[in-house]
Amino acid sequence: GNSVTQMEGPVTLSEEAFLTINCTYTATGYPSLFWYVQYPGEGLQLLLKATKADDKGSNKGFEATYRKETTSFHLEKGSVQVSDSAVYFCALKSSRGETSGSRLTFGEGTQLTVNP
Amino acid sequence: NAGVTQTPKFQVLKTGQSMTLQCAQDMNHEYMSWYRQDPGMGLRLIHYSVGAGITDQGEVPNGYNVSRSTTEDFPLRLLSAAPSQTSVYFCASRNTVTTDTQYFGPGTRLTVL
Repeated sequence: GNSVTQMEGPVTLSEEAFLTINCTYTATGYPSLFWYVQYPGEGLQLLLKATKADDKGSNKGFEATYRKETTSFHLEKGSVQVSDSAVYFCALKSSRGETSGSRLTFGEGTQLTVNP
Repeated sequence: NAGVTQTPKFQVLKTGQSMTLQCAQDMNHEYMSWYRQDPGMGLRLIHYSVGAGITDQGEVPNGYNVSRSTTEDFPLRLLSAAPSQTSVYFCASRNTVTTDTQYFGPGTRLTVL
């Protein structure tokens, strides 16, 4: 079945530091890949996505590249801010057409804290 | 648009009690789903619906019921609450079953004593 593995957290950085959160996946076919962000006390919001190999998703200074050869979708940001403190979830959606294949599979989430 | 709304925000139950978590969306989305979020386990799918009158089980359906009588509403019922159901529950919707972008509600934090 499908699965997503994220680097263990929590991650604590100083403002303006470089961020990498690793994500690897197992899936059949060609899944779509996502990063969701959850700010304290809120629901998840889509941060970025990539739907095919070598695509790069980007938003708010974050980016991630769909690497089929390494089955990875690592999240990066060059200079984090205190406001980026949140939980980040990597997720995939199978490319299969049937209903059950269109569900999202989430990683366990990585807590990021950015200190001033 | 209000997006996806959930009520209540917080709830405390005793073991054996029943309750319904409400979820509504005003975006005319066909696909709706319920997740539970537990520490270190990410989000796990409980039930989902691809349209009014159609529901199906996700990964962890035991102890929960759903119905979808209208496009807008997708309530989740706990039949007899157990401490193992202590969790944060999120409702989500997307336009169709194949649409990529999914919208989440703010969540309901449930504690079962």
